[in-house]
Amino acid sequence: RKEVEQDPGPFNVPEGATVAFNCTYSNSASQSFFWYRQDCRKEPKLLMSVYSSGNEDGRFTAQLNRASQYISLLIRDSKLSDSATYLCVVNNWNQGGKLIFGQGTELSVKP
Amino acid sequence: EAGVTQFPSHSVIEKGQTVTLRCDPISGHDNLYWYRRVMGKEIKFLLHFVKESKQDESGMPNNRFLAERTGGTYSTLKVQPAELEDSGVYFCASSLDRVEEAFFGQGTRLTVV
Repeated sequence: RKEVEQDPGPFNVPEGATVAFNCTYSNSASQSFFWYRQDCRKEPKLLMSVYSSGNEDGRFTAQLNRASQYISLLIRDSKLSDSATYLCVVNNWNQGGKLIFGQGTELSVKP
Repeated sequence: EAGVTQFPSHSVIEKGQTVTLRCDPISGHDNLYWYRRVMGKEIKFLLHFVKESKQDESGMPNNRFLAERTGGTYSTLKVQPAELEDSGVYFCASSLDRVEEAFFGQGTRLTVV
């Protein structure tokens, strides 16, 4: 079983749609949680950290449920520029800060 | 401020040859990580340096892979001899601290033929 599981998609949505991605992780000792964005043939870039209280950054809302070991990302009012692969990532500081990646969910926003 | 830089951006080598990848982290970042993504799979951790010391090399696939970070600055990852299954994108990342944001380089796309 993978440590971080994501639906690979692709998610094909029209501009303006709301789309939600989900992710589960297996290591209950994980301490930090992130969503990274990766454009085609580019490096991963941090989109946002995820906190138990939930956090929002503009059109993006992230949520963490530690009891269920479940992480979500909601994108509202999708833009063409949101098309990318979204990576769910967890970090266990006790393991030196190495990041554990999900396979990524591909999003394609169409006009 | 310069980001994490990797060289080369692409490399095509024949099976059995040697390739050396280089990573220059952000200045002042003690933590340096190597990751790899093979086709169809998730990005996976290879190893972690703190300054010049290897903290964790649990992700290194086998002894054909050798990483160094002399002087605690740039790092190299050598694959010798390369095999077909070594093909993939090799990413380097650096961070100030293990709990801080990690910044990634643009990656080296390695193709072994």
